[in-house]
Amino acid sequence: AQSVSQHNHHVILSEAASLELGCNYSYGGTVNLFWYVQYPGQHLQLLLKYFSGDPLVKGIKGFEAEFIKSKFSFNLRKPSVQWSDTAEYFCAVNPLSGGYNKLIFGAGTRLAVHP
Amino acid sequence: DAMVIQNPRYQVTQFGKPVTLSCSQTLNHNVMYWYQQKSSQAPKLLFHYYDKDFNNEADTPDNFQSRRPNTSFCFLDIRSPGLGDAAMYLCATSRLRTGSSYEQYFGPGTRLTVT
Repeated sequence: AQSVSQHNHHVILSEAASLELGCNYSYGGTVNLFWYVQYPGQHLQLLLKYFSGDPLVKGIKGFEAEFIKSKFSFNLRKPSVQWSDTAEYFCAVNPLSGGYNKLIFGAGTRLAVHP
Repeated sequence: DAMVIQNPRYQVTQFGKPVTLSCSQTLNHNVMYWYQQKSSQAPKLLFHYYDKDFNNEADTPDNFQSRRPNTSFCFLDIRSPGLGDAAMYLCATSRLRTGSSYEQYFGPGTRLTVT
């Protein structure tokens, strides 16, 4: 079955530290890839997405992600986190297997940034 | 602002008592989705509507039903809630369900408690 794995369930960082959140998926075909963020008390919001082209994708608020096809990975990075980045981050994959688009989510990573 | 609205934000129901969750959207999107998200787990797609065309996921229990009376509204009906149905229920929309610019927009969710 298709699945998405996020390696870290909880991450705690100090402000200005660098961030990398891992995401791996199990699907051999073509995929679209997404990172969503959920700030405390708010709805899921799109952070960035990859459809094709340059595998290094830049999103909002200084986040970026790199698609490495050979590793089935789409890791999220930020060089210097802020307290306001405290949130839960979800990786999602849309396998392009025909029919309709469907998002398969990872279980999420809770990020806490301390001032 | 265009958005996805879910009411209520918190719902408490009794074991076996039918409950309906509501979602509305001002985005005029063709597709509306319902996800179930249990604590510390990934959001899981239950079903979606493409216009009036209902699409059930294979592993969605029969206890869960949905209605979409018009473009703007979609309802999730749980006919006989069990304790295992306690979860956050997320509604999402997308303009289309295929294509390279596919993206889902999420509501804030309804947290369902079953007593």
